[in-house]
Amino acid sequence: AQKITQTQPGMFVQEKEAVTLDCTYDTSDQSYGLFWYKQPSSGEMIFLIYQGSYDEQNATEGRYSLNFQKARKSANLVISASQLGDSAMYFCAMETGTASKLTFGTGTRLQVTL
Amino acid sequence: DVKVTQSSRYLVKRTGEKVFLECVQDMDHENMFWYRQDPGLGLRLIYFSYDVKMKEKGDIPEGYSVSREKKERFSLILESASTNQTSMYLCASSLLGLGKTDTQYFGPGTRLTVL
Repeated sequence: AQKITQTQPGMFVQEKEAVTLDCTYDTSDQSYGLFWYKQPSSGEMIFLIYQGSYDEQNATEGRYSLNFQKARKSANLVISASQLGDSAMYFCAMETGTASKLTFGTGTRLQVTL
Repeated sequence: DVKVTQSSRYLVKRTGEKVFLECVQDMDHENMFWYRQDPGLGLRLIYFSYDVKMKEKGDIPEGYSVSREKKERFSLILESASTNQTSMYLCASSLLGLGKTDTQYFGPGTRLTVL
């Protein structure tokens, strides 16, 4: 069975600082994908970044980067230069097998302060 | 841009009512999904569909059914709503592919309250 663990229910970060949101995963599959989504208070889930299990380079998308450590089964999200608009829930998710099914973690609520 | 729309943002129903939640996507995606989101539990998959008239159970299908008569539309049905089905319901769609093309795009969610 696939499992995603996010151990930080809540995090605070000051504006313009970098922050790392933790995610560990468990799967016996060799081929899988890891996703991060942002959910602002409006409720919509916004795709941020993707990492494939065979990708050798860590994924980056603007201020978001994914610190992928395959041996440790971790896929931490790094947000650089935090902005007030980054305050939201962040979910890590894993896709394995067919039909793009995703398994989600329980989320981390990030608050960016002045 | 992919657009996934859901019929209602907020819905209030009574116990025992039959409830329909509608989801429409405009990007010709093969896969469609229904999740419910509860505090502290993340998102849990209820049902998904990888083609018209095809459906598969997710992790928590009990008390729900689905219908996909057209590729762009995926409906979630609560046959007899109960108070423990009060939740946020999120619909998503994705291409049938591998890797990044599997990215799921979500609708705005429907917050359902069952009284």
